[in-house]
Amino acid sequence: ETGVTQSPTHLIKTRGQQVTLRCSSQSGHNTVSWYQQALGQGPQFIFQYYREEENGRGNFPPRFSGLQFPNYSSELNVNALELDDSALYLCASSRSRAGGYEQYFGPGTRLTVT
Amino acid sequence: KNEVEQSPQNLTAQEGEFITINCSYSVGISALHWLQQHPGGGIVSLFMLSSGKKKHGRLIATINIQEKHSSLHITASHPRDSAVYICAVRSRYSGGGADGLTFGKGTHLIIQP
Repeated sequence: ETGVTQSPTHLIKTRGQQVTLRCSSQSGHNTVSWYQQALGQGPQFIFQYYREEENGRGNFPPRFSGLQFPNYSSELNVNALELDDSALYLCASSRSRAGGYEQYFGPGTRLTVT
Repeated sequence: KNEVEQSPQNLTAQEGEFITINCSYSVGISALHWLQQHPGGGIVSLFMLSSGKKKHGRLIATINIQEKHSSLHITASHPRDSAVYICAVRSRYSGGGADGLTFGKGTHLIIQP
């Protein structure tokens, strides 16, 4: 196990609703990245938080937003849910934002939008 | 933006066989990751490398920076190695903010007893 936890493990929401997913990073890690993995696809980068600031963003609309807290845990918020948002959402923490640090993944939250 | 291609997409082999999974990428990187994903979703990091070769137990990962290519090898394969193996790269940091990892689509490996 990596020490990265995510909650909830599974979630079912209705189109148009809002959802908040949570991630606790590994001890000593100040960087959290969020990824979306649709069925049968590789994960896609949503955004990264470093020391409570957004440090980079992939090709996702503004209704995907996030927060990082002083203890470096993080939230992913998705507004106005669409059917295509159904996916496995993964967070990964690392010791720093630089490329040379290993990322440790959480078990993921499986979101189903009906 | 980096593009990551993996081959093969699917691989079924007999227990004990030597397995090779390939990964190619399109632009310069600061690191390449090999990851393992079991049914249910959790991802485990196997290797992170930026040059040369790394070995851990029966797993070996190599990278050729000039050819923009990496391979993951499994020796003496076992049914418990059955999983999806994913290659992911981090592009060289441009100073403009992280762009995260770019992932391949994964290789579905089944090892039959």
